[in-house]
Amino acid sequence: ETGVTQTPRHLVMGMTNKKSLKCEQHLGHNAMYWYKQSAKKPLELMFVYNFKEQTENNSVPSRFSPECPNSSHLFLHLHTLQPEDSALYLCASSQVEYGLAVTDTQYFGPGTRLTVL
Amino acid sequence: GQNIDQPTEMTATEGAIVQINCTYQTSGFNGLFWYQQHAGEAPTFLSYNVLDGLEEKGRFSSFLSRSKGYSYLLLKELQMKDSASYLCAVMDSNYQLIWGAGTKLIIKP
Repeated sequence: ETGVTQTPRHLVMGMTNKKSLKCEQHLGHNAMYWYKQSAKKPLELMFVYNFKEQTENNSVPSRFSPECPNSSHLFLHLHTLQPEDSALYLCASSQVEYGLAVTDTQYFGPGTRLTVL
Repeated sequence: GQNIDQPTEMTATEGAIVQINCTYQTSGFNGLFWYQQHAGEAPTFLSYNVLDGLEEKGRFSSFLSRSKGYSYLLLKELQMKDSASYLCAVMDSNYQLIWGAGTKLIIKP
């Protein structure tokens, strides 16, 4: 148990569906991340939120829409996905302290296994 | 471009020692991380190296050579539960994590 929870753990959806992934961290961190993990590929950073502000959007298609209502919760809204979007979606959190040399270790949730039909 | 290289898969025997290598080329360096990920589970933090040398933590040790852009994770007294993927990641000058594709370690009795 890393202190980061994700729901649902598994999701199957059609290309015309709309669904949302949820992440919650119980570590008191101020930064949260969405990653995509595909088989035999490096983790792909999708979005970063520091202090609830989005600071990173790595050219992610608009069919993925993040939402961060507070520093403990992060959502990923999905609509009109493609089969190639099938992957494990991981949420992570960390404590970022500017001006200090900190490790910024990220703690991950168990992920949502998404299958797009 | 930025790149992290690590072997795709390794096999070792229970009770033995295995070394998983990671080489990197990144824009700046602010530390190197190793994570363990069991199938279907979250990656979990193992180690962080920012200075050259060996960091030991129980059965696991991690080594860094910044001049060579090289790190390794050493696992001793292997147990079946060590079967997992091991992810190498480097924090670049912008404090972004650059990830390797992971090394799948298979432990045989």
